[in-house]
Amino acid sequence: EIVMTQSPATLSVSPGERATLSCRASQSVSSHLAWYQQKPGQAPRLLMYGASTRATSTPARFFGSGSGTEFTLTISSLQPEDFAVYYCQHYHNWPPYTFGQGTKLEIK
Amino acid sequence: EVQLVESGGGLVQPGGSLRLSCSASGFTFSNYAIHWVRQAPGKGLEYVSAISSNGGSTYYADSVKGRFTISRDNSKNTLYLQMSSLRPEDTAVYYCVKDSSSWYYFDYWGQGILVTVSS
Repeated sequence: EIVMTQSPATLSVSPGERATLSCRASQSVSSHLAWYQQKPGQAPRLLMYGASTRATSTPARFFGSGSGTEFTLTISSLQPEDFAVYYCQHYHNWPPYTFGQGTKLEIK
Repeated sequence: EVQLVESGGGLVQPGGSLRLSCSASGFTFSNYAIHWVRQAPGKGLEYVSAISSNGGSTYYADSVKGRFTISRDNSKNTLYLQMSSLRPEDTAVYYCVKDSSSWYYFDYWGQGILVTVSS
């Protein structure tokens, strides 16, 4: 089973500033990496797939990068609606498509 | 519009059983793999189970293997999760999640259904 590790667990950033979230896989997942955003009381929603492709409704301020075992989600100029929990997940080969433990992005 | 609506959750005693259903609409259900993901209160996401588009292939996390059974009825656009020998640690919100293809990223999530295992 591939283990996904996210850092930091909590990130405090002021509105308008940039946030950088990291995700590491225990073995290569190529570019088979997705990011999801979850707000309190809501289901997660797809943000990014293929490590760097924005989902249909994802704003351009979200930028994904990386391949193999190291991935980054960058959010430039944070908006109030961006404060949430972010999960990375691999979908490499066969299940289990494990998730990282999440990064909580909070307002500084 | 893609919709996934879970039902069948609730309170059950340890050792009991429950069947979750997920009713799908807005897409050709029989063309896509579907997954179950759960989230314990205040915790992260845990991948639970998956089934291929035709039901011929299934996957279970070790934590539920032998106790949970995933199935689908493509004629009814419905996914099921039969849960037995339930434990307190199975308490979670269970999400029905659509695969974007077959064994690929997840593009749509249901709203989730709460299962509470407690005496």
